Amino acid sequence: SAVISQKPSRDICQRGTSLTIQCQVDSQVTMMFWYRQQPGQSLTLIATANQGSEATYESGFVIDKFPISRPNLTFSTLTVSNMSPEDSSIYLCSVLSGDTTNYGYTFGSGTRLTVV
Amino acid sequence: RKEVEQDPGPFNVPEGATVAFNCTYSNSASQSFFWYRQDCRKEPKLLMSVYSSGNEDGRFTAQLNRASQYISLLIRDSKLSDSATYLCVVNKAGKLIFGQGTELSVKP
Repeated sequence: SAVISQKPSRDICQRGTSLTIQCQVDSQVTMMFWYRQQPGQSLTLIATANQGSEATYESGFVIDKFPISRPNLTFSTLTVSNMSPEDSSIYLCSVLSGDTTNYGYTFGSGTRLTVV
Repeated sequence: RKEVEQDPGPFNVPEGATVAFNCTYSNSASQSFFWYRQDCRKEPKLLMSVYSSGNEDGRFTAQLNRASQYISLLIRDSKLSDSATYLCVVNKAGKLIFGQGTELSVKP
């Protein structure tokens, strides 16, 4: 399965600032997914990032708040803009990997964000 | 109603016990199904895909009933290392929908 390198692993940020999270995949993938996991909650999809086109955002998430870049088939960034304490969460990227008989979604190790 | 609902847990079981997790999903158009495991402060990791015919991987057995929109995971002979949160995940049109997770704690 694909290997994803995600960074930073954690950060503490001041409210009103922005943080950019990076994910690098060891193979080319068509779609990359960005998730948020709020404290004590399960994962919620923020957006799907396709190379060469704008990301597709889920209900409740907007491009101005979570701009995404996808410059090539192995890399994507998610920016959390104008942060507030409510943005404190774990952010994870994910890709589909594997063969036709054994596939699944692989996740980066996550970015634990605390906004103070 | 949530799209994917799991047993609320937590499950506290002794080593060697058999434990079953249940999950229901609301969208009949869901395409594929998975169980993921998430350890504390770690990312989710794929435990197994779930097929209509049922599938087994060692001590783990997954079942899918499309008519009832129901998924299950059975863990036999529980180990201490099985302690984690188990996430029922449904793929709907290429998007993963996660259940809230069921926490399992296996005690000596």
